[in-house]
Amino acid sequence: QKEVEQNSGPLSVPEGAIASLNCTYSDRVSQSFFWYRQYSGKSPELIMSIYSNGDKEDGRFTAQLNKASQYVSLLIRDSQPSDSATYLCAVREATAGNKLTFGGGTRVLVKP
Amino acid sequence: DAGITQSPRHKVTETGTPVTLRCHQTENHRYMYWYRQDPGHGLRLIHYSYGVKDTDKGEVSDGYSVSRSKTEDFLLTLESATSSQTSVYFCAISGRDTLYNYGYTFGSGTRLTVV
Repeated sequence: QKEVEQNSGPLSVPEGAIASLNCTYSDRVSQSFFWYRQYSGKSPELIMSIYSNGDKEDGRFTAQLNKASQYVSLLIRDSQPSDSATYLCAVREATAGNKLTFGGGTRVLVKP
Repeated sequence: DAGITQSPRHKVTETGTPVTLRCHQTENHRYMYWYRQDPGHGLRLIHYSYGVKDTDKGEVSDGYSVSRSKTEDFLLTLESATSSQTSVYFCAISGRDTLYNYGYTFGSGTRLTVV
């Protein structure tokens, strides 16, 4: 059973600070990794994808991947109250079907 | 979401009745998926499709069946609804079949309550 683990939180951060979210995965051959944001009562929306070791930046978001440690993280800089949501880590399975396995999500609360 | 719609958005049904949820896409994507989301379990794959009439099971497929007779439609049927199937159901689509794909686009979800 492939597993994707996240701390459920809540992760409470003051406005303007950096939120750091972590995700570990069990399938060593996984190649593609995604971060989704989900507001309460809404559907997940893709915010970042990363495929290579290292950092990938997009606006206030930075994804970090370390395949040797089977670890992927998401940094949210200059956190805003609108960033308050649940963040889901997803890992593409190394099998046919383009299937994603999701972690349980980390709830982030940004306090003004 | 643009390009993918789910219906109905909400449904209350009785135990033992069959229920069908519909996912419709206008993106002409090859892959379609049904997930359920429950507190403490996150998103779990029920079934997926990789083409017309081509479907396969996910990790929580018991009690569910699917059909895809057209590229744009993917139906999820609860053959005899049980209270354990009370959940939020999400459909997702994905158009890339390469290593470096762009993830999924999700529909708005269907909140199903089995009483």
